[in-house]
Amino acid sequence: EVQVVESGGGLVRPGGSLRLSCAVSGFTFSSSDMSWVRQAPGKGLEWVAFINSNKNNIYYADSVKGRFTISRDNAENSLYLQMESLRAEDTGVYYCARDVLFDFWGRGTLVTVSS
Amino acid sequence: EIVMTQSPATLSVSPGEGATLSCRASETVTTNLAWYQQKPGQAPRLVIYGPSTRATGIPARFSGSGSGTEFTLTITSVQSEDLAVYYCQQYNSWPLTFGGGTKVEIK
Repeated sequence: EVQVVESGGGLVRPGGSLRLSCAVSGFTFSSSDMSWVRQAPGKGLEWVAFINSNKNNIYYADSVKGRFTISRDNAENSLYLQMESLRAEDTGVYYCARDVLFDFWGRGTLVTVSS
Repeated sequence: EIVMTQSPATLSVSPGEGATLSCRASETVTTNLAWYQQKPGQAPRLVIYGPSTRATGIPARFSGSGSGTEFTLTITSVQSEDLAVYYCQQYNSWPLTFGGGTKVEIK
């Protein structure tokens, strides 16, 4: 059974930092490309970042470029998103999803940026 | 950036009726188009990709078509459990982009 579990969300002040984690089981993480996708409250889906299986291709949405860093640990079957200089508009549920064709998703972790 | 535009924003359908959802890309995405279903309070779920291949476990009443810039998701004989927001997404070029969604309501 595939399991994708995000963690690390919470309330943070504008300008603050947060690190999200995603633990994966049930598929071969080390050979899977991975993405982060977010959803602001009551809004649609927005792709945030991508990392391929061997870490040599990384892409970001313009809205987070220079502030967010995606990484992975294939030995730990884990994906990460380091978020810096957070803004109110970064508030939302952050999902971990497989590949660019998001066939497996977690339930998401809520990030709230507010003073 | 490829802009994905979905129509209509809301579709109200009686159980047993058909529903047709449209998605238009601002430039060609060839066949690299997927559809997702998001039910209230849940994570999205892949429904269709490629753009006519059903994902694992998706009922046969869901079908997709199109290529280039025009795509359609069809639900034949809508069921109450199909109440959801449906998003299209292109995976042809960076950045990956989603449409704004079509909310399917059950009359």
